[in-house]
Amino acid sequence: EDQVTQSPEALRLQEGESSSLNCSYTVSGLRGLFWYRQDPGKGPEFLFTLYSAGEEKEKERLKATLTKKESFLHITAPKPEDSATYLCAVQATGGGSNYKLTFGKGTLLTVNP
Amino acid sequence: DTGVSQDPRHKITKRGQNVTFRCDPISEHNRLYWYRQTLGQGPEFLTYFQNEAQLEKSRLLSDRFSAERPKGSFSTLEIQRTEQGDSAMYLCASSDQRTLSNYGYTFGSGTRLTVV
Repeated sequence: EDQVTQSPEALRLQEGESSSLNCSYTVSGLRGLFWYRQDPGKGPEFLFTLYSAGEEKEKERLKATLTKKESFLHITAPKPEDSATYLCAVQATGGGSNYKLTFGKGTLLTVNP
Repeated sequence: DTGVSQDPRHKITKRGQNVTFRCDPISEHNRLYWYRQTLGQGPEFLTYFQNEAQLEKSRLLSDRFSAERPKGSFSTLEIQRTEQGDSAMYLCASSDQRTLSNYGYTFGSGTRLTVV
């Protein structure tokens, strides 16, 4: 069974204080690893897809990286508007359920001004 | 097309009542998903449609839950004889085969169900 574990559960940063969120995964074969941002009371919003170990993607203050066992979401010089829950999800290859995303519990990020 | 729409946004119901939620996906997307999210948890898969066919239903779903997608357009999720444990955010998402691997799902804003 596919599993996704995110850490820490919650992270509080000062504005400008860079840090990283971790996503560890277990999957029979990885088709894609997804990062989403979720604001309170809203649905998740797509950020990145990573496909293979060594891949990196960037968007503004966010950079996502991927290894064979985990992914990191690096946040550089965060601003208060980066406060949200960040969700990681995996899509497995093959079988009959390769359309399904398995999510972690998320990391609640709070950036204080 | 403004994305995935869900209605209602909030629903408060008494235990034992039936409720129905609606989801309108992105019109070009042939795949539609329902997920459930409780406080402090990530979304959990409930069911999946490709066009009008329901291809998978999670073992998490009891027989009180039913979903339809007539004509492969909008979808409804019905919960019969609601229980307090059904209180959650019900998320609908859509994709097509091409966009799934590139962009994942596009989610709606969800329906928040509270059973009292």
